[in-house]
Amino acid sequence: DTAVSQTPKYLVTQMGNDKSIKCEQNLGHDTMYWYKQDSKKFLKIMFSYNNKELIINETVPNRFSPKSPDKAHLNLHINSLELGDSAVYFCASSEVHSGSPLHFGNGTRLTVT
Amino acid sequence: AQSVSQHNHHVILSEAASLELGCNYSYGGTVNLFWYVQYPGQHLQLLLKYFSGDPLVKGIKGFEAEFIKSKFSFNLRKPSVQWSDTAEYFCAVMGGNTPLVFGKGTRLSVIA
Repeated sequence: DTAVSQTPKYLVTQMGNDKSIKCEQNLGHDTMYWYKQDSKKFLKIMFSYNNKELIINETVPNRFSPKSPDKAHLNLHINSLELGDSAVYFCASSEVHSGSPLHFGNGTRLTVT
Repeated sequence: AQSVSQHNHHVILSEAASLELGCNYSYGGTVNLFWYVQYPGQHLQLLLKYFSGDPLVKGIKGFEAEFIKSKFSFNLRKPSVQWSDTAEYFCAVMGGNTPLVFGKGTRLSVIA
């Protein structure tokens, strides 16, 4: 059973479109995250949710809107996609907000053309 | 704000060579330290972690890391690498209520 699952795995779209990436974890964790990995492999946190509440919102354009319908899901919606949004987006979860190791999903490779 | 510095961008080793990847962090308080590995085309997997206690921690696949508080370091080691260790390695630190912060990664290429 996949612990943290993201869909889709690949997403190719044109500039200006709106797209969503879904994430689900079946580990019973309280905290979920979105990280962005750029072309140089640098990982940067975007958002963190703890029990459906937004905890961390790093310097991310407001075109990016996370939504957590319950603590097992954290979806990422992106409006008006730009070329610079092309990256691999990783969802992750952890038991508690601080101190616990993160479990990562397989990533979603977003390509904006 | 905490930060993580990985000294080597790309390391190339022959099989059976010993490995040491450097990691230094900046944070004044108590930290939790991690090493993650990302095999080509895959997601990040936890190699090992340090929370407290013995500063020498052992992880999966023969990896270990040593926390040296005075040097703010958490270097990753393996006595003898294999071709299958080819991957990207990320050091990460978590302090207080801050999120996990990653270093820029070190690419390890192991050649036969």
